[in-house]
Amino acid sequence: DAEITQSPRHKITETGRQVTLACHQTWNHNNMFWYRQDLGHGLRLIHYSYGVHDTNKGEVSDGYSVSRSNTEDLPLTLESAASSQTSVYFCASSESGTGGAKNIQYFGAGTRLSVL
Amino acid sequence: AQSVSQHNHHVILSEAASLELGCNYSYGGTVNLFWYVQYPGQHLQLLLKYFSGDPLVKGIKGFEAEFIKSKFSFNLRKPSVQWSDTAEYFCAVTRGPGSNDYKLSFGAGTTVTVRA
Repeated sequence: DAEITQSPRHKITETGRQVTLACHQTWNHNNMFWYRQDLGHGLRLIHYSYGVHDTNKGEVSDGYSVSRSNTEDLPLTLESAASSQTSVYFCASSESGTGGAKNIQYFGAGTRLSVL
Repeated sequence: AQSVSQHNHHVILSEAASLELGCNYSYGGTVNLFWYVQYPGQHLQLLLKYFSGDPLVKGIKGFEAEFIKSKFSFNLRKPSVQWSDTAEYFCAVTRGPGSNDYKLSFGAGTTVTVRA
């Protein structure tokens, strides 16, 4: 079965360190998204990609970067981790094209990141 | 960009009680509407969706939602909840057919606690 995998599931790091969270999908979806989930804020979009070599900023992109070198992967990098980036991070993917079903996003299990 | 409002932050119910969660969105064009559910410790799963047609849509586990275009609303309902419905519920919206914008805008979420 197709799936979307995030790793690691849990990560503890120190302020100032660079951290990369992995996201790998086997749906062959063009679209991939990174969200952070914080109490009272729901899910907020960090970065997204609509295809290989395409990346775009979301509403909370400061301090984060992504790259898309193939269809399957969209790693999220925290350039210099800050305590404010302690959160749960979710990756998602969807198809592209017309038709509502192509807007359905499928989510990974999440990565819980603690920045101390 | 569209915004999504969920009226209740935390709802506490007894088993067999009826549930209704409110959701309003701000975008004036055609939209695709979703309810996602996140059970404790798990990732987001699609509960139900509306793309077009019958404004009353049925999802998994006995949930349904009604799209009222004039009120920009997409409220979620379940006639009789079970303890296993304890979860966080998110309303989300994307722009409708013809749009190349696949980003989901999420509400802040509603935590539902069902007491046995």
